[in-house]
Amino acid sequence: NAGVMQNPRHLVRRRGQEARLRCSPMKGHSHVYWYRQLPEEGLKFMVYLQKENIIDESGMPKERFSAEFPKEGPSILRIQQVVRGDSAAYFCASSPPTRRLNTEAFFGQGTRLTVV
Amino acid sequence: GDSVTQMEGPVTLSEEAFLTINCTYTATGYPSLFWYVQYPGEGLQLLLKATKADDKGSNKGFEATYRKETTSFHLEKGSVQVSDSAVYFCALSDPGGGADGLTFGKGTHLIIQP
Repeated sequence: NAGVMQNPRHLVRRRGQEARLRCSPMKGHSHVYWYRQLPEEGLKFMVYLQKENIIDESGMPKERFSAEFPKEGPSILRIQQVVRGDSAAYFCASSPPTRRLNTEAFFGQGTRLTVV
Repeated sequence: GDSVTQMEGPVTLSEEAFLTINCTYTATGYPSLFWYVQYPGEGLQLLLKATKADDKGSNKGFEATYRKETTSFHLEKGSVQVSDSAVYFCALSDPGGGADGLTFGKGTHLIIQP
């Protein structure tokens, strides 16, 4: 049973380009969480999604950032018109449908985004 | 809002030394508390957890006790090994605090020397 898969592991974008980060949850998991880790900082919650629904986006920046978790396929975190301050590691976590993240959490290896 | 504060790193110890990594928190509700570990190049793994006051979480020789009176959840291990070298994150979950996700500390980089 594969764990949470994130790709790409490393992503380099020029300022103004778009970045798309993908997360495939563990098999049977329908809840996905995205976190951002800035250099020298802890992980910051961004958004919580279930299939086809955004449940909590209180940690998402108001502009340029969006997330989706379609019925089929991976969850996507999309950053439009990237700026240098978006450079960070982005982690995805998933949990089963009957549990919340505070009881069981499985994290991916993260995507390191570098904006040049 | 909720927050987690843990000791700054890196923490460097010799093998078989006693380890303490301090963690304190602020929360509006009754949080659950966690320690996660991140080995080089890998994602975060749950190390241990405690869901109510005075609970003790333990795993792989690590322990942490949920202290409500001091709002703390310090991580301890009696005899560390080189393989324990990693980054350790203290975190809390507080549904009463509004967000559904975990609140993390900044992480403590632990280096164990042979």
